[in-house]
Amino acid sequence: GAGVSQTPSNKVTEKGKYVELRCDPISGHTALYWYRQSLGQGPEFLIYFQGTGAADDSGLPNDRFFAVRPEGSVSTLKIQRTERGDSAVYLCASSKQASGETQYFGPGTRLLVL
Amino acid sequence: KNEVEQSPQNLTAQEGEFITINCSYSVGISALHWLQQHPGGGIVSLFMLSSGKKKHGRLIATINIQEKHSSLHITASHPRDSAVYICAAKGTNFGNEKLTFGTGTRLTIIP
Repeated sequence: GAGVSQTPSNKVTEKGKYVELRCDPISGHTALYWYRQSLGQGPEFLIYFQGTGAADDSGLPNDRFFAVRPEGSVSTLKIQRTERGDSAVYLCASSKQASGETQYFGPGTRLLVL
Repeated sequence: KNEVEQSPQNLTAQEGEFITINCSYSVGISALHWLQQHPGGGIVSLFMLSSGKKKHGRLIATINIQEKHSSLHITASHPRDSAVYICAAKGTNFGNEKLTFGTGTRLTIIP
């Protein structure tokens, strides 16, 4: 079956603009994770969902970042008033359930804020 | 100091060599993941382990919970193994599912 997909694959925006990044998890996976990877670094946790609810959003850097998963499937990561420091690859992963399961990663969205 | 540290940061070896990548962590964990990331960003989960040893093909992962240390070994290395290998730790608290990642080891296998 299809893996985790993310759109767009690349996004270039100007400082101050609003962006939305989309993640389609593997069908039936209840847990969904967002990570951010800056150049030369390992990924950093942002937020994870169990079903529709954000179970842990402690990794969101500030209130410009927000994520939703209204129907427990597709998730959207929203970034307001983008800054150059937001430039990174945003990775999404999903797993069958949260506890003790392998996470399957999407290809990422490469965000560049000019 | 990062909670999860990997060594070496970069590793270059000849085809056929036995490869070891190390991961040390400073927090209690319930599981440790080894991930492979190829140029272009795609991440593939190789192993998830909480004790002992797992083997898949030419890849072997071990973990020593008491020493807070894990290793990833590659036998008979091949140029297609060239990638960044990342270890990631999952915390012990029930419901704490987030992963804490190391910075990765860039492996280059020369034909």
